[in-house]
Amino acid sequence: QKEVEQNSGPLSVPEGAIASLNCTYSDRGSQSFFWYRQYSGKSPELIMFIYSNGDKEDGRFTAQLNKASQYVSLLIRDSQPSDSATYLCAVKESGGSYIPTFGRGTSLIVHP
Amino acid sequence: DTGVSQDPRHKITKRGQNVTFRCDPISEHNRLYWYRQTLGQGPEFLTYFQNEAQLEKSRLLSDRFSAERPKGSFSTLEIQRTEQGDSAMYLCASSHENTEAFFGQGTRLTVV
Repeated sequence: QKEVEQNSGPLSVPEGAIASLNCTYSDRGSQSFFWYRQYSGKSPELIMFIYSNGDKEDGRFTAQLNKASQYVSLLIRDSQPSDSATYLCAVKESGGSYIPTFGRGTSLIVHP
Repeated sequence: DTGVSQDPRHKITKRGQNVTFRCDPISEHNRLYWYRQTLGQGPEFLTYFQNEAQLEKSRLLSDRFSAERPKGSFSTLEIQRTEQGDSAMYLCASSHENTEAFFGQGTRLTVV
């Protein structure tokens, strides 16, 4: 059973701070990693993807991947109240079918 | 066509009735995924298509569930003899080959 683990939170940070969201996965052969943002009652929205070890930056978002330790993280700089949402980590399994497997998500609250 | 479209957005049905949901993927995407999401959980994989071929089904997909994707275009998910435990958000996503997947708005099913 391939698993993707996230702390459900909530993670509460003040406005302007850095929010750090973490995800671990069990399939060592996983190749592709994704972060989705989901507002309450809405569907997931893709915000970042990363395929190689290291950091990938896009605006206020940085995804970090460490395949040896089997974790991927998302940093949100200068957090805003509008960033308050659930962040879902997804991992595409190896082995041909490449089906994205999701964690349960981490709830982020950015308070003014 | 700028995104994945799902219809209906909301469905309330009585226990024992059949329901059918439709998903129109992004036009150039050959892969289509169905997920189910309940409150506080991440999306759970149900089934996926590559073009018109249904390549994998989750054990969550009981014999009351069936999905089709005729001609590799839109897809339908049918639930027969609905049960209260079927109440959830049903999400459709599409991707081009093994690239990132994009979600539709979802169909929220309530079984009363």
